[in-house]
Amino acid sequence: KAGVTQTPRYLIKTRGQQVTLSCSPISGHRSVSWYQQTPGQGLQFLFEYFSETQRNKGNFPGRFSGRQFSNSRSEMNVSTLELGDSALYLCASSSLDRGNTEAFFGQGTRLTVV
Amino acid sequence: DAKTTQPPSMDCAEGRAANLPCNHSTISGNEYVYWYRQIHSQGPQYIIHGLKNNETNEMASLIITEDRKSSTLILPHATLRDTAVYYCIVSPRAGGTSYGKLTFGQGTILTVHP
Repeated sequence: KAGVTQTPRYLIKTRGQQVTLSCSPISGHRSVSWYQQTPGQGLQFLFEYFSETQRNKGNFPGRFSGRQFSNSRSEMNVSTLELGDSALYLCASSSLDRGNTEAFFGQGTRLTVV
Repeated sequence: DAKTTQPPSMDCAEGRAANLPCNHSTISGNEYVYWYRQIHSQGPQYIIHGLKNNETNEMASLIITEDRKSSTLILPHATLRDTAVYYCIVSPRAGGTSYGKLTFGQGTILTVHP
C-alpha cells in the first residue's frame, strides 16, 4: 500500500507570491490533516478535511486555506507569502475506521520564502 | 486536549531498553495516549496508543499508570535508528478523530549511542 505522498518536496518562493501544496492520502483514507513545522513553534495543526469538508481549523490567518477533492486528495494554499511561512508542511491521512485511526504522515514539503 | 510533559532529552545505549516518560495529569476519561516519533527531516511516525491498559506492538510497549496521569513508552532493544524526537499526545479518540487535530508538544529527543 502506497504511503502518503506530498508534492513537491522542496519549494522556493518569493515574498508576496502564493503557493499550492498537494497531498495524496493512503488509498481508502478519507481524512486529511495539514500541519506546519518550524523550529520555533514546532508542529502546529492547520486544518483537517473529511469527505471534501473542512471540519477543523487551527489558529492560522486566512492566507492559509485548503480543499479536498472527491478522491480524497488535498491541496493547501498560502497566499501573500511572508518570510515566516518558511516551514516544513506535513500532511497526514487517517482512515477513521473502527480500530484503524492512527495518522500516517507524508515526508512533507519544505517551503522556503525569500 | 490535555497537555503533556516530557523530558527534553534522554540518552540510551544501543541494545538497552529506552524508557520514555510522559506526564498527562489532566487527561480526560475519553482521551487516549498516543506516541509518535520523528526522525530528522521526516514526517512523524505512529508508534502506539492506549486508553488504560498496557499495550504492546512490534515497535514498542506502552505502560499507562492506573490513574492514567502518566505513561511510559518502552523501546525494548534500542538501536541507532531509534534516535528521534518522541512525542506523547493525548487525544479524545484514536488517531485524531477530534477532527484530525493532534497537539504536539516539544517531545523528547532520544539519542541512542553505540
